[in-house]
This record gives sequence, structure tokens and C-alpha cells, in this order.
Amino acid sequence: SYVLTQPPSVSVAPGKTATIPCGGNNIGGKAVHWYQQKPGQAPVVVMYYDNDRPPGIPERFSGSNSGNTATLTISRVEAGDEADYYCQVWDSNNDQSVFGSGTKVTVL
Amino acid sequence: QVQLVQSGAEVKKPGASVKVSCRASGYTFSDYYIHWVRQAPGQGLEWMGIINPRVDSASYTQKLRGRVTMTRDTSTSTVYMELSGLKSEDTAIYYCARGLPGVAKPFDIWGQGTMVAVSS
Repeated sequence: SYVLTQPPSVSVAPGKTATIPCGGNNIGGKAVHWYQQKPGQAPVVVMYYDNDRPPGIPERFSGSNSGNTATLTISRVEAGDEADYYCQVWDSNNDQSVFGSGTKVTVL
Repeated sequence: QVQLVQSGAEVKKPGASVKVSCRASGYTFSDYYIHWVRQAPGQGLEWMGIINPRVDSASYTQKLRGRVTMTRDTSTSTVYMELSGLKSEDTAIYYCARGLPGVAKPFDIWGQGTMVAVSS
């Protein structure tokens, strides 16, 4: 089955930029969605179709997808951005959705 | 407002079955698919399957095929997820989530989650 690889953790100072990669075989040919999950809460979509922001998501969040890596970038990081982030794609070969293992973003 | 409201927490013994409900409101029930996603304690998200409420057609991840069944009741705008042959590894929070019809669509609305604990 299709595997999405994310680093377990990313640490960033307030005001700096956090970059969260999501690796997958030719992921550039797939639509990638990103979810933010804070402790004790359900996930929330923060980026869809690689680089589209849902209503209400700050412009500080941006996305890209090319080759074997999709990336979620959070600019001017704030304390409220501290959360787990998951990438997601549809695995058409196995007719199922797949999530990455998740990246915990810590704001120093 | 658009929301998905799930049933309450469950405690089950190994080998038993559990049925979790997800009631939709604030939108036309049959216009969106419903996905089920689970999250074991301290772990990541795992997709379980999808149901098309318009035609009551479901598709499941191979890992759970044979143990999971997803159904819907259009009269109450409710989707159900039943998992049988429960094992300790099925202990998790179970979420329903809404997606536009078709595959490769994002999940824009999530239920609050239902904790299912499997223990002897």
C-alpha cells in the first residue's frame, strides 16, 4: 500500500517558519490534504489540494507538492500553531485514503 | 450549522461488537460521503472506510474488511459504523468525517470522536 513519510517532530521559534515535509512515491501526481490536530480535539483541515486554504485558515499557512515530497509551511509561527499535522492522499491502487504518520510541531 | 454528532463512549470485551453512530445536520445528508477514521492512544490517524449515503454503498480498508460494516439511515441522517470481533488493538477514538462525493476529496467536517475501549 501507499506510504506517506513524515518526520515525528519539528521545533520552531515563535515568528520563524516551520516546514513540514510529507514524502511519498510520486506524490506530486496526487492531491494532498493537510490536517491540524490539537490535543483532545478532532482534526481540522488546514490545506487542501496541495495549496488551497480553507476559509478561516490564516495566510501564514501555505502548501506545495512536487516530485516525491509535499510540504506544509507555516510562516510567522505562533504559539497557537503547536499541534500535530497529518498529510493525506487517496491511494488509487488500493482504493483507500492514506494518512502520514504525523508531525508534532513544537513552538519553542 | 453544519455538524456531525457522534454517540458516546463504549467499553467492550474482546470478541464483542460495537456500533458507533454519526448524525449529520445543517446540510443535505445525501450530498456528501462519510468517512470513518480511528486513532489509537498516542498514535496517528487510520482511515477505515467510506460510505455514500445516497446509495448506501460502502468501501473498507483491506485491513478491516470482514469485520467492519458501514450503514446509513436517511430518515435520521445518521451513519453507523459497526466493528465486530473486537481486539485490544481496536481501542481507539473513532471519528466520522464528511467529504465531497468521489475520492481524493478532503474531509471538511469531523465529528467529535467516540472513544471505544476494548478490555477484559
